[in-house]
Amino acid sequence: DAGVTQSPTHLIKTRGQQVTLRCSPKSGHDTVSWYQQALGQGPQFIFQYYEEEERQRGNFPDRFSGHQFPNYSSELNVNALLLGDSALYLCASSPHTGIDTEAFFGQGTRLTVV
Amino acid sequence: AQTVTQSQPEMSVQEAETVTLSCTYDTSENNYYLFWYKQPPSRQMILVIRQEAYKQQNATENRFSVNFQKAAKSFSLKISDSQLGDTAMYFCAVPGGGADGLTFGKGTHLIIQP
Repeated sequence: DAGVTQSPTHLIKTRGQQVTLRCSPKSGHDTVSWYQQALGQGPQFIFQYYEEEERQRGNFPDRFSGHQFPNYSSELNVNALLLGDSALYLCASSPHTGIDTEAFFGQGTRLTVV
Repeated sequence: AQTVTQSQPEMSVQEAETVTLSCTYDTSENNYYLFWYKQPPSRQMILVIRQEAYKQQNATENRFSVNFQKAAKSFSLKISDSQLGDTAMYFCAVPGGGADGLTFGKGTHLIIQP
């Protein structure tokens, strides 16, 4: 089992550009969540996808959008990049949404905006 | 809204010692779980232990145990017989209601000295 895989591992973009990050969930998982982890901080919840729909969203602007495909993989898109978007972006998958569900995380994509 | 506070930015102990990481939280949920995640330099978040708020017995996983004080909304992690491989960032997390993602604290950087 490959676990949760994210691509790319590192990315450098220029302010104002757009970026797409990708995530393949762990086998058997149908729910994908995205988190932003700034340097020295804990992860912050961006949004969660289930059945190809955004189920819940954290306090992030509309520049952050996502998509989930029929095979449960997911993309995170960020438009009009700001310097403050530089962070580690983590994807987590789970088999279902529940308060006891363990989220399995990928190794993240390190995004640097210059 | 959920809040999680970890008041120890960094801790350092000798190998084989016991260390306790503190966490306090606030939630409006009636039934919930609490989680401790470990993030080593590889960046991948790994679940260490989870506790159901309705269970009075504190959770234990090998060398890891929790001290859960529901009334005080305190959820500390005790690591016994610490090992060099325990060196990592440790995050306390609580889920929101329904489909919400996890709310994380800012983390404690634990260093195990040889």
